[in-house]
Amino acid sequence: KAGVTQTPRYLIKTRGQQVTLSCSPISGHRSVSWYQQTPGQGLQFLFEYFSETQRNKGNFPGRFSGRQFSNSRSEMNVSTLELGDSALYLCASSLAASGGIYNEQFFGPGTRLTVL
Amino acid sequence: LAKTTQPISMDSYEGQEVNITCSHNNIATNDYITWYQQFPSQGPRFIIQGYKTKVTNEVASLFIPADRKSSTLSLPRVSLSDTAVYYCLVGRLNQGGKLIFGQGTELSVKP
Repeated sequence: KAGVTQTPRYLIKTRGQQVTLSCSPISGHRSVSWYQQTPGQGLQFLFEYFSETQRNKGNFPGRFSGRQFSNSRSEMNVSTLELGDSALYLCASSLAASGGIYNEQFFGPGTRLTVL
Repeated sequence: LAKTTQPISMDSYEGQEVNITCSHNNIATNDYITWYQQFPSQGPRFIIQGYKTKVTNEVASLFIPADRKSSTLSLPRVSLSDTAVYYCLVGRLNQGGKLIFGQGTELSVKP
């Protein structure tokens, strides 16, 4: 079974621009979560989508948004990029059923975003 | 969510057993303990999960004392490829796809 895929793997943008990252979960997984990883703040939860609805949200500004499509693929968007948005953005998928029963999360390789 | 405390870094040598302890003094009754492993420039990978006593799988063992205020991840006979960051997470099973990561323990295995 194919793992979680993320595109692109690397991205360079300039301040003020916006960016869209894509995540394809493992087939059959309906929950997709996004995380930001930086050397200073570590791994931080951004948001989770399940059945096209945002189910959980972390403490990030509104510039960070996401969506999930009917095939469970997800995108996250960051608008008005700041230097501090430079990070590894990780996507994870799980079987997590409605109601949020825990299932192991499978992470993708991440998208390395550099903001200049 | 219970806060976790782990050593920032540990060193070991190939072939040794490594024990990483995680402190979670305010763990709740419904909380489970989960460990993830992360290699550089990769996403974390689930290692093991438990509620109490001992859990063992093909990769590691997890020891949880009766008071559950701490837990120990045991890696038998480590190799260079076990060099990674190990995260201890504590939380309810029904929190959906939201994982709260602490600082993790950076394990360095030397030849």
